[in-house]
Amino acid sequence: DGGITQSPKYLFRKEGQNVTLSCEQNLNHDAMYWYRQDPGQGLRLIYYSQIVNDFQKGDIAEGYSVSREKKESFPLTVTSAQKNPTAFYLCASSTAGRSGNTIYFGEGSWLTVV
Amino acid sequence: GIQVEQSPPDLILQEGANSTLRCNFSDSVNNLQWFHQNPWGQLINLFYIPSGTKQNGRLSATTVATERYSLLYISSSQTTDSGVYFCAVERGSGTYKYIFGTGTRLKVLA
Repeated sequence: DGGITQSPKYLFRKEGQNVTLSCEQNLNHDAMYWYRQDPGQGLRLIYYSQIVNDFQKGDIAEGYSVSREKKESFPLTVTSAQKNPTAFYLCASSTAGRSGNTIYFGEGSWLTVV
Repeated sequence: GIQVEQSPPDLILQEGANSTLRCNFSDSVNNLQWFHQNPWGQLINLFYIPSGTKQNGRLSATTVATERYSLLYISSSQTTDSGVYFCAVERGSGTYKYIFGTGTRLKVLA
């Protein structure tokens, strides 16, 4: 089935460690995104990528890094520089076309720092 | 930058009731979408609606771009409609930078 797969679903990290969240899509979408959601809050854009080997910072990029080596993959690394990384992370993708940039989301990854 | 405000912030309905959710935005937009986030966190795209009216089953949406607002109508609500409803607008045109509103948390009681 076509869709966006995020892994892991739940992740615990010790302070000072980096962790990488995986995001894979088989929708043939050009654009991919990472959002962060804190409890009871809306979504905030971390990074986005319109094409392979290119990505741009969103509103809260500090302490995060990404890569886009393949069209299907857009992994997010939460580095030790991120001061408050405990949150729900959502990956999304979209394509431009006659229907506009309709966005599709993965199921999310819960990251807890212990 | 563009501001996106949603109202009401919380809504409780009896099953079968109708409701209207509102999304106001502070600048002209080329792309507006409505999403439903279920209690498990999954976000589902409901409508891509930069202008005009669309309907999908019990849900419909209207965007009046000139007056900078969009409405989401839910008719004959069901318990499965519970969750958080977000609108999102694209900052500029073709930027791929979407701003999400703070959401409307809906609870439908059986």
